[in-house]
Amino acid sequence: AQSVTQPDIHITVSEGASLELRCNYSYGATPYLFWYVQSPGQGLQLLLKYFSGDTLVQGIKGFEAEFKRSQSSFNLRKPSVHWSDAAEYFCAVGETNFGNEKLTFGTGTRLTIIP
Amino acid sequence: DAGVIQSPRHEVTEMGQEVTLRCKPISGHNSLFWYRQTMMRGLELLIYFNNNVPIDDSGMPEDRFSAKMPNASFSTLKIQPSEPRDSAVYFCASSLGSRTGELFFGEGSRLTVL
Repeated sequence: AQSVTQPDIHITVSEGASLELRCNYSYGATPYLFWYVQSPGQGLQLLLKYFSGDTLVQGIKGFEAEFKRSQSSFNLRKPSVHWSDAAEYFCAVGETNFGNEKLTFGTGTRLTIIP
Repeated sequence: DAGVIQSPRHEVTEMGQEVTLRCKPISGHNSLFWYRQTMMRGLELLIYFNNNVPIDDSGMPEDRFSAKMPNASFSTLKIQPSEPRDSAVYFCASSLGSRTGELFFGEGSRLTVL
């Protein structure tokens, strides 16, 4: 069965600093990978996704992620964070047998932004 | 456009009572998902419908939980009888079913069972 590990439970970053959130996956086939963001009291919103092709994918709100098969990783990055980026971030892997709609989520990384 | 609509947003009930959570997916979406979010277990997929048919209910914790989707615009998740360990935020999500992997989530129903 597929699984996703987000090793960092909580990260604090200064506004304007760069950000990298780690994600490692375990999946036998070619993974379909996603990053979702959850603001307090809200549901999740898709930031970006990787299906195939270019291993560096761009998403909304200035985020990008890089797929590295050799490291089984799909880390999320942003060059300069804004206070509004404070939220919880979830990495997920899609199960291709279910049309990539059945997602397994990691436990999330809570991002705090300090002035 | 209206997103996924869930009701109630908050529910407080006593152990043993029946709880019904409701979801209206985005119009035109073919797939609907119920997730449960807790601090201990994170986000867990409970059940997944495609074209109103349950495709995978392996995440439903036990017989006390049941879900229905009588038509394309409505789904319910029922817990009977409820227990304190069912306290969680329950999310409904829908998607186009076009293998995009993009799920649209509702704002969730926070359930507290006393």
